[in-house]
Amino acid sequence: EAAVTQSPRNKVAVTGGKVTLSCNQTNNHNNMYWYRQDTGHGLRLIHYSYGAGSTEKGDIPDGYKASRPSQENFSLILELATPSQTSVYFCASGDWGWGVGDTQYFGPGTRLLVL
Amino acid sequence: LAKTTQPPSMEAYEGQEVNVSCSHTNIATSEYIYWYRQVPHQGPQFIIQGYKDYVVNEVASLFISADRKLSTLSLPWVSLRDAAVYYCIVTDTSSGSWQLIFGSGTQLTVMP
Repeated sequence: EAAVTQSPRNKVAVTGGKVTLSCNQTNNHNNMYWYRQDTGHGLRLIHYSYGAGSTEKGDIPDGYKASRPSQENFSLILELATPSQTSVYFCASGDWGWGVGDTQYFGPGTRLLVL
Repeated sequence: LAKTTQPPSMEAYEGQEVNVSCSHTNIATSEYIYWYRQVPHQGPQFIIQGYKDYVVNEVASLFISADRKLSTLSLPWVSLRDAAVYYCIVTDTSSGSWQLIFGSGTQLTVMP
């Protein structure tokens, strides 16, 4: 059974509209992350969280907000979607440990098209 | 964070052993080496991690040079399902700040 799930799997939005991408994990991990992946690029970190109630900015946070209401759920919010935010979005969970770092487990991705 | 360099692509036949190299010449003493892979339309999948010497699990083995500037991921007996982009990542594990920086990876093509 999948430990990291994302919804929706596909989304078409209009420019200026609000989009919410949801992520749920059953790994009981403290850390959760949102990445985007564009054609020809590796994953880039948008926001992450160390636990319920916390959100931190990653490398490319502009235009995105995040919300971590519980251990299991982490949302990515595009308040005013733009075509440049058309991408595939991946959520991941992980638990950092001294000397071993943070092995991250990824969801299946959400394909977002902003028209 | 140390920068990694991998070959952009590799090819192999089913049943062969594949070795994917990764150079990380500026790796710090607090950094670990991770390998992930990604197949189309799926999220990255953790393969293996290590700090030094040799690490093996049920999927792959990882050899790290004595100076830790080079690592090699070894995939025994590859199948068509192993066709993917393989990412080598180094990350700091010492302070609670982690960050996986995905480069462009190595595209492995497996031929029947």
